[in-house]
Order: sequence, then structure tokens, then C-alpha cells
Amino acid sequence: EVQLVESGGGLVQPGGSLRLSCSASGFTFRSYAMQWVRQAPGKGLEYVSAISSNGGSTYYADSVKGRFTISRDNSKNTLYLQMSSLRAEDMAVYYCVKTTQGEYYYYMDVWGKGTTVTVSS
Amino acid sequence: QSVLTQPPSASGTPGQRVTISCSGSSSNIGNNYVYWYQQLPGTAPKLLIQRNNQRPSGVPDRLSGSKSGTSASLAISGLRSEDEADYYCAAWDDSLSGWVFGGGTKLTVL
Repeated sequence: EVQLVESGGGLVQPGGSLRLSCSASGFTFRSYAMQWVRQAPGKGLEYVSAISSNGGSTYYADSVKGRFTISRDNSKNTLYLQMSSLRAEDMAVYYCVKTTQGEYYYYMDVWGKGTTVTVSS
Repeated sequence: QSVLTQPPSASGTPGQRVTISCSGSSSNIGNNYVYWYQQLPGTAPKLLIQRNNQRPSGVPDRLSGSKSGTSASLAISGLRSEDEADYYCAAWDDSLSGWVFGGGTKLTVL
């Protein structure tokens, strides 16, 4: 069974940093692109960042470009999202999402349960 | 403001058929597949419809998707209480080189 388990969320002050992790199991992690999608409280889904299966291609939404860095360790079956200069508008549940093939322009099929990031002083 | 436009709410009584629309442009829906996700209260989204009208295994055939031009729709027939959820459409956008979502439609079963 495909499983994605996010961790690393929590309370952080504005301007602070946080690193999210997503541990994957049940599939050949190194063969699939991965994505981060977030959902602010009471709001819809927002596509945040993506990375190809070998890490060679990445994508960032304009809202996080220059502040967030996506990476992956295929030897550890783990996806990361390093977040810095956090703002109140970054407060959301962050979902780790598997793509159906090696490039992130393929669609998303399996979602993790999410980890909550709270930005507040 | 979401790139794809959905009605914020929809409703129906048990057994009825409801449709949820999703409107985009030539750079997204007009030129790429549409996907639908269901988010039950307090849970993560789940893939409901892939490639405009294909149901992943386990999704009942009373759910169907369609696309025409720059618009798409999700139809749910034989409405049940367990269908009460938020529904999101998504598509790849060639101009943004990224995925775009609709704002979501909250379906209420009366």
C-alpha cells in the first residue's frame, strides 16, 4: 500500500524557518515525481512546489519562490520542503503528494494526511 | 483567486443527480486533461476522476467526469450522504508550467 507520512510541522514565528519531511513507502520512490500542496484554514488547495524523480527539475509557486526549497533523498525515500522567511500567509496544512510518473507534469494520485504549519508570534 | 473557476457550493437530496462545473482557459483545461479530487471533512484529498472521465479503481460508476472546450464537469448520480464533501478540479497549465486548482465546491446532501 502506498503511504506518505508528513512530519516537521509546528508553530513558528514570522520570519522563521521550518523543514517538512515526507516519508514514502509502498512504491519505488525514486521513480516518481513528488509535489507539495497546501491548504490554508478554510481555504482551497494551492500548488506549492514539485520535484522530478531524479531531482533534476523543480517548480515553485510565485508565492514561495526564493523562500522555499524542495529536495529529495531517494536513498531514504524521503521528500523535503525547507521553508524560510515564513509569513502569516504560509500558515496551512501541507500535503505531500505522489505523481504518477517521473516528471511533475503528470497528475497527482496519492496524498499524505498532511502536516500543519502555524505562523504566529 | 483560483485559476480554475468552480461554484462555491452545490446541493441535492438523496438519490438526485448533481453536477459541479469547472471553467478554465486554453492554457489549462482547453489543452490538457482535467482531474477531480474529493476531500471529505477533516481528511486529505482523494483522486476521484483522472484524464477527464476515467475512474480510478474503487470509485463507483455513479460518479462521472466530462470535458468540453475550456470547461469540465463532475456528475454524481444517486446522491448519498457520504458524498457530502469538498470537490476540486485540477489541470496542468502550460503558461504557468504548473498545476492549477479550482477554488473548490462544497457539496451538501440535504
